[in-house]
Amino acid sequence: GQQVMQIPQYQHVQEGEDFTTYCNSSTTLSNIQWYKQRPGGHPVFLIQLVKSGEVKKQKRLTFQFGEAKKNSSLHITATQTTDVGTYFCAGGGNTPLVFGKGTRLSVIA
Amino acid sequence: DTGVSQNPRHKITKRGQNVTFRCDPISEHNRLYWYRQTLGQGPEFLTYFQNEAQLEKSRLLSDRFSAERPKGSFSTLEIQRTEQGDSAMYLCASTHLGKGKLNEQFFGPGTRLTVL
Repeated sequence: GQQVMQIPQYQHVQEGEDFTTYCNSSTTLSNIQWYKQRPGGHPVFLIQLVKSGEVKKQKRLTFQFGEAKKNSSLHITATQTTDVGTYFCAGGGNTPLVFGKGTRLSVIA
Repeated sequence: DTGVSQNPRHKITKRGQNVTFRCDPISEHNRLYWYRQTLGQGPEFLTYFQNEAQLEKSRLLSDRFSAERPKGSFSTLEIQRTEQGDSAMYLCASTHLGKGKLNEQFFGPGTRLTVL
């Protein structure tokens, strides 16, 4: 079945540094969604990418969907302590979402 | 509060007991999903409903697990003869599937199950 892998598993950064997490699927995806889960919280939707090569920005967050629609990335510029949490990608389409294991981001003030 | 709600928030049970969880999705959302999440893992799909119809169940899901959504609104997830390996956070999510819709999933706070 479809597998979604994320790297790195953990990332510790100084406040103000940049952060990137990568997501790779074993199969071509119809779309990809990104979620953020704060410690002790539940996943919260961030964005959905649908088109090959698509790039979307939300303030300091930049999301990319690969040309082959098998990989994606999330880049955060100048991290802040409010960015702490686990970031999940999830491959979607007409089938239920398949989540990666997530990248846990720690930000040191 | 118009978000997804789940009850109970915490459940401690002894091995072999049955437990039932409830999820109330956002009203008018026609799709409802159940996931299980353990420490350090992403949400793992269990089953989902389109209105009252259960459309898919994970092949990895034991026969001890059953879910219903009788009137296409709230849903229940029952685990029979619980095992220690069932200890996890059980998450419910809902979305409105439709043309032009984003299909983002709204998650509830989860029910944390501990099997002793």
